[in-house]
Amino acid sequence: DAGVTQSPTHLIKTRGQQVTLRCSPKSGHDTVSWYQQALGQGPQFIFQYYEEEERQRGNFPDRFSGHQFPNYSSELNVNALLLGDSALYLCASSLTGGFDQETQYFGPGTRLLVL
Amino acid sequence: AQSVTQLGSHVSVSEGALVLLRCNYSSSVPPYLFWYVQYPNQGLQLLLKYTSAATLVKGINGFEAEFKKSETSFHLTKPSAHMSDAAEYFCAVTGVEYGNKLVFGAGTILRVKS
Repeated sequence: DAGVTQSPTHLIKTRGQQVTLRCSPKSGHDTVSWYQQALGQGPQFIFQYYEEEERQRGNFPDRFSGHQFPNYSSELNVNALLLGDSALYLCASSLTGGFDQETQYFGPGTRLLVL
Repeated sequence: AQSVTQLGSHVSVSEGALVLLRCNYSSSVPPYLFWYVQYPNQGLQLLLKYTSAATLVKGINGFEAEFKKSETSFHLTKPSAHMSDAAEYFCAVTGVEYGNKLVFGAGTILRVKS
């Protein structure tokens, strides 16, 4: 049973650049959520995608955008990178309408460093 | 906004001792509650979850947690700590009063001394 996968594992960018992170959900899942985990903090919800649309959004600026593809995989895009965007970006998947729909399963994360 | 609080950013126990990590939530309606573990440079692994069934929930690696509505708590315990339990532990909640978003506590780093 394939779990949640993310790519790349690590990424280094400079201020002002743009970055795209990718996520493939756990087999059988259709909903993808993205989180930002700054050093020493708990994960913060960025947004959630279901049926190729953004269903919910946390308190993040419009520089953070996403996409979900027909195969349920997802991308997180961050424009105009700031030093403060340096963090571990986590993707989680779940199955909307399933008996376990409240439970999210996480990938290994992408560590982004902005210089 | 509703929140979740983990008391103690760092907890240190001896190998073989009881592990107790504290989590309190703030909603008036019992939410869904989770404990996740994060090993260094890794993602989050689900330890256990409470979804309004039994109040005592057993998880992986010998961990369990008890939901206490009167105390709005969901503390994580393990009778005997192993060195391999050293990691960061996050309590998380979701439900209507949380906007159906998964909200995390700040985390507790568990250190196990030999």
